[in-house]
Amino acid sequence: QQPVQSPQAVILREGEDAVINCSSSKALYSVHWYRQKHGEAPVFLMILLKGGEQKGHDKISASFNEKKQQSSLYLTASQLSYSGTYFCGTEISGNTPLVFGKGTRLSVIA
Amino acid sequence: ETGVTQSPTHLIKTRGQQVTLRCSSQSGHNTVSWYQQALGQGPQFIFQYYREEENGRGNFPPRFSGLQFPNYSSELNVNALELDDSALYLCASSPTLAGGLVGELFFGEGSRLTVL
Repeated sequence: QQPVQSPQAVILREGEDAVINCSSSKALYSVHWYRQKHGEAPVFLMILLKGGEQKGHDKISASFNEKKQQSSLYLTASQLSYSGTYFCGTEISGNTPLVFGKGTRLSVIA
Repeated sequence: ETGVTQSPTHLIKTRGQQVTLRCSSQSGHNTVSWYQQALGQGPQFIFQYYREEENGRGNFPPRFSGLQFPNYSSELNVNALELDDSALYLCASSPTLAGGLVGELFFGEGSRLTVL
């Protein structure tokens, strides 16, 4: 079951914050976040395991609400380099493949 | 330590032909996953191989087949190509963590297939 991401696209000015959401209709085992720049391969940002943990990666952090089967990616004080398409990938149990959402296109402008 | 490499990077085929895409996984990774990414879409899971065995398959027809070799490199074969098969094919290798959890996926740059 493909996770649903929102919004589909967002435009930010440098220094602004953004939140990208990922939700699933199934109970999740883990949530992954990746960023893909135009013409490049997706690059790993972080993994969150069930248990409601929150992780950070520089000014990018994420949370995982196990009860709601939702994860949110927080981008703080955005930089031009944050531009790209963000994908969440979800696992419903161990030994199951990672299924990606359709992505959220983030554009940061000066 | 080399990363994930895929070949060829670009290729053009005609409807009905067959294609083989290749992937060398990152050293130490025993799991390889293949994804199809159409323009403007997220990667769609095709299948995954773990220690030479298929370990999960997405909603793709049997004309999509794969193989993993003892050195954990992998091939994706597509028979009877259709126009809709035009896409970027991404290979990703990963370690398998405790509990069968998929670790970080390391993606190759992809093979862009155009079917005419």
